[in-house]
Amino acid sequence: DGGITQSPKYLFRKEGQNVTLSCEQNLNHDAMYWYRQDPGQGLRLIYYSQIVNDFQKGDIAEGYSVSREKKESFPLTVTSAQKNPTAFYLCASSTTPGQGVSEKLFFGSGTQLSVL
Amino acid sequence: SQKIEQNSEALNIQEGKTATLTCNYTNYSPAYLQWYRQDPGRGPVFLLLIRENEKEKRKERLKVTFDTTLKQSLFHITASQPADSATYLCVTAGNKLTFGGGTRVLVKP
Repeated sequence: DGGITQSPKYLFRKEGQNVTLSCEQNLNHDAMYWYRQDPGQGLRLIYYSQIVNDFQKGDIAEGYSVSREKKESFPLTVTSAQKNPTAFYLCASSTTPGQGVSEKLFFGSGTQLSVL
Repeated sequence: SQKIEQNSEALNIQEGKTATLTCNYTNYSPAYLQWYRQDPGRGPVFLLLIRENEKEKRKERLKVTFDTTLKQSLFHITASQPADSATYLCVTAGNKLTFGGGTRVLVKP
């Protein structure tokens, strides 16, 4: 089955620790995205990538980092500089580069990150 | 920047009735608008896309309207079923995607 796989489902971070969220897709999509979802709020864009070895900051990139070494993979690292990391993190992909304009997004099942 | 307003209060509805959700946007009229369904602890799933030159779009029991004068989209679920219980997200697309906070729908048998 084609889709997007996020892991782990739940993740706990200690103070001062960096953690990495995994996102893998086998849809052969060029564009991939990371969103953050807080209760009752709309999804906010953290980073996006239109092509391998290239990525752009979204609206709330501070305290996060990404890499895009392979078309299928777009991991997100939540660094210790992110002071309020508790949230639901969603990875998405689309066929059309450019933040998904003109194409629908395919989402993974999310990672819930909490602070210990 | 674009702001999307969806009713944050849950919509409780009896099975078989029509659920109507509202999405209001504040600034520029988007080129198109999308609706997604999200179940608890899961990622959103795409349902429908409607373009600015389209008044109405249908898919099975779902209907979406787009009124650029009112800056509003309405999302209807006809003959609602308990399986329709979920949160529904409105998304506008201009030069970027902007997500609303979603409206939770609870269909009671």
